[in-house]
This record gives sequence, structure tokens and C-alpha cells, in this order.
Amino acid sequence: DIQMTQSPPSLSASLGETVSIECRASEDIYSNLAWYQQKSGKSPQLLIYYASSLQDGVPSRFSGSGSGTQYSLKISGMQPEDEGVYYCLQGSKYPWTFGGGTKLELK
Amino acid sequence: QVTLKESGPGILQPSQALSLTCTFSGFSLSTYGMRVSWIRQPSGKGLEWLATIDWDDDKYYNPSLKSRLTVSKDTSNNQAFLKITSMDSADTATYYCAWTSNSGYYFDYWGQGVMVTVSS
Repeated sequence: DIQMTQSPPSLSASLGETVSIECRASEDIYSNLAWYQQKSGKSPQLLIYYASSLQDGVPSRFSGSGSGTQYSLKISGMQPEDEGVYYCLQGSKYPWTFGGGTKLELK
Repeated sequence: QVTLKESGPGILQPSQALSLTCTFSGFSLSTYGMRVSWIRQPSGKGLEWLATIDWDDDKYYNPSLKSRLTVSKDTSNNQAFLKITSMDSADTATYYCAWTSNSGYYFDYWGQGVMVTVSS
């Protein structure tokens, strides 16, 4: 199985601050990487797919980058509604696997 | 607009089998490239992919549970199903179904989830 190591496990950011979350794959996943946001009590929502493509309706302050085994999600200007848990997902090889999650809070 | 909704028993006893239904709208699982997957999440923990069924009836299972999982579909009624045998307390979780379009390698949209508790 491909292991997805996500960091940091938790993060506290001030309003307007830029934050980054990283995911490292145990092998090359050829940009088959998606990012999800999960708010408390809700199902995950797709933010980014194929490492850097922004899902329709997602604010442009969210961006994704990376290749090979290293990927990152950046939020350019933290907003209160960005609080939640963020997960990466690799879809390069079955079984599809998720990172452990990053809990993002507003400072 | 795509919607998915999971339904299931809510609570069951150890060793029983779990049967879940995902009822969806906004797409057809007989259309090329469509997929429905099942993912679970224990309370306060991370996400685990369980199984996927494709438009052409190809099926993929998580090896860690493969012997216990069966995924199927009813295209005429826009439903997908997941069966898990020999349920244990470790299987207590919220179970989600999710849609993938165009044979993608991610989940475009998720259902609201259904909580399943295994307890005697």
C-alpha cells in the first residue's frame, strides 16, 4: 500500500495568514493527489484534484502544488470558514489511501 | 446536481453482517467513467477507503478487509450497496458513499454519511 504522511497534524493560523499543509507519498503517485476539507460533523469536500486543479466553487485562496512524492496545499489568507480538518488522498494505486489529516484552527 | 445518501441499520451486534445502501441522483452508474466508492471514518479519526464499483461493474476492494466486503449496484434504481460480514466493535464508524466522475482518481462528491455502531 502507498503510505501518505501528512504534516503538520495540527495548525493554528491568524486571520489573513498564509498556511501550508504537506503530504508525502511512500512512492511516486504521478500527481494523482486530491485535497479535502472536512468541517465538524460534515462530509469531506473536494478542494483540489490532480495535485493542482481547483474544484469548481472553491475559493481561489486555495492552491495545490507538487509532483512525484511531495505535495502541498496552500491557503493564501486564512478565513474563519477555513477551520476544519484537511486530508490528502492518493488515487494512483489501489488501495487508495488518505493522509492522517491536519486540523486547522483560527488563532 | 449530484446527491448521494447512505442508509443502514444504525446499530448491529458483533458477528452480524452490515448492509448499506447508497441512493444517488444526478448521474447514472451505467454511464462510462462513473464510480461509486465507500469510505469510513471512526469517530474522531481519519478516513479509510473500503471499496469502489465502476460503471462497467469492475470492483476494487481494500485488501485489509477484502474477504469481508462485497460491493454491488442496481443501475435501474440508482443505488449502490456495500455488505460487510463479521462486524466487530472496531467497525463502528460513519460510512460514506462517494461519486467519482470520468474515471477520475478522487471523489468528486460525498454523501452525508451514516453512523453504524456495533455493540452487544
